[in-house]
Amino acid sequence: GAVVSQHPSWVICKSGTSVKIECRSLDFQATTMFWYRQFPKQSLMLMATSNEGSKATYEQGVEKDKFLINHASLTLSTLTVTSAHPEDSSFYICSARDPSLPIPGELFFGEGSRLTVL
Amino acid sequence: GENVEQHPSTLSVQEGDSAVIKCTYSDSASNYFPWYKQELGKRPQLIIDIRSNVGEKKDQRIAVTLNKTAKHFSLHITETQPEDSAVYFCAANPYSSASKIIFGSGTRLSIRP
Repeated sequence: GAVVSQHPSWVICKSGTSVKIECRSLDFQATTMFWYRQFPKQSLMLMATSNEGSKATYEQGVEKDKFLINHASLTLSTLTVTSAHPEDSSFYICSARDPSLPIPGELFFGEGSRLTVL
Repeated sequence: GENVEQHPSTLSVQEGDSAVIKCTYSDSASNYFPWYKQELGKRPQLIIDIRSNVGEKKDQRIAVTLNKTAKHFSLHITETQPEDSAVYFCAANPYSSASKIIFGSGTRLSIRP
């Protein structure tokens, strides 16, 4: 199957700083990527849809100025948590579609990034 | 928007017995229903999916059923094994976006030896 890689796998930062998380599709070109947030023992909450070459589409209740998404190439999407606060501490996980597969279809997930804001 | 509800939240079964997880969805236009398995500390992985043009699909010990009228779909695991222990998520695609996937709340399945 297609491979999606996420970096870093974990990050600790001070309150007020910004953190960038990268999501890469390694063996396919992903025009669309999805960013999810997962709280401990809870579900995958869709934050936004990242579209290559255009603005991301955010889900209701997700602050676009807080969670900046950039999809500058067909293999890379980045999520930047700006002015991070302890309540932003969570597990962030990206996923991507392989455009050679049917729509709708399987999402391939990255390893996830655990953010801890002190 | 699409709302996917899943139950039970936790399920413990004896090794060798069957496990059933049930989900409902709200968007009658949804046409794709995948199931993902997430082992502890690992990424979610697709285990089986079903599209709205069929009512049942089976892959070895795993089967999924879909009732479009009732907007229900279920995952059935037979002859459970220790390696089946994980969190299982059902999901559906909302009409507003063919490729977007909305997940249920998850079921933590434990297999007792």
